[in-house]
Amino acid sequence: DTGVSQDPRHKITKRGQNVTFRCDPISEHNRLYWYRQTLGQGPEFLTYFQNEAQLEKSRLLSDRFSAERPKGSFSTLEIQRTEQGDSAMYLCASSLREAYNEQFFGPGTRLTVL
Amino acid sequence: AQSVTQPDIHITVSEGASLELRCNYSYGATPYLFWYVQSPGQGLQLLLKYFSGDTLVQGIKGFEAEFKRSQSSFNLRKPSVHWSDAAEYFCAVLPYSGNTGKLIFGQGTTLQVKP
Repeated sequence: DTGVSQDPRHKITKRGQNVTFRCDPISEHNRLYWYRQTLGQGPEFLTYFQNEAQLEKSRLLSDRFSAERPKGSFSTLEIQRTEQGDSAMYLCASSLREAYNEQFFGPGTRLTVL
Repeated sequence: AQSVTQPDIHITVSEGASLELRCNYSYGATPYLFWYVQSPGQGLQLLLKYFSGDTLVQGIKGFEAEFKRSQSSFNLRKPSVHWSDAAEYFCAVLPYSGNTGKLIFGQGTTLQVKP
């Protein structure tokens, strides 16, 4: 069990650029979640996948955000035309099938938009 | 709307002293309840969880939490704090209804441990 991994760990970009983050969940986990955490706040839910299906998206996920999980394995989160307000830590978590199962979190990707 | 409140943004305790971190939730029914810890550069780690049954739950690293339905609270405790416990602590709820697994987190409490 290598845990949940995220890449890159840090990303600095200029406003208006596109960025893509990757999350590799624990291999046998069906569910994959994305959260966003801003300074001094707890994580906020963005979206989740059950296998390859994206089943819920938060209203926080504007149309500039898109997430995919092809083949139900790794997932990517893309932000288009980044804004300074997108600066945050993006966390990925995975869990077994049922909603109440423990979510295992990755170390996060810290995004800074200049 | 469901919400989680952690009234203490920052707490400082001396090493060896006892600790209690407060958590209150707002939800119509008893949700699933969790405490996570986040150390710098680390992902969130689950300390303990409450689903049902005994209202005093034991977790890892010597932590425990007590669910009090009448107070809508789920406070985290530790009898004797170690310097390595310095971190940020998050209370979270998982609404019982629905199947999303969407955790709702409080804003966190930063714990500082004095030598």
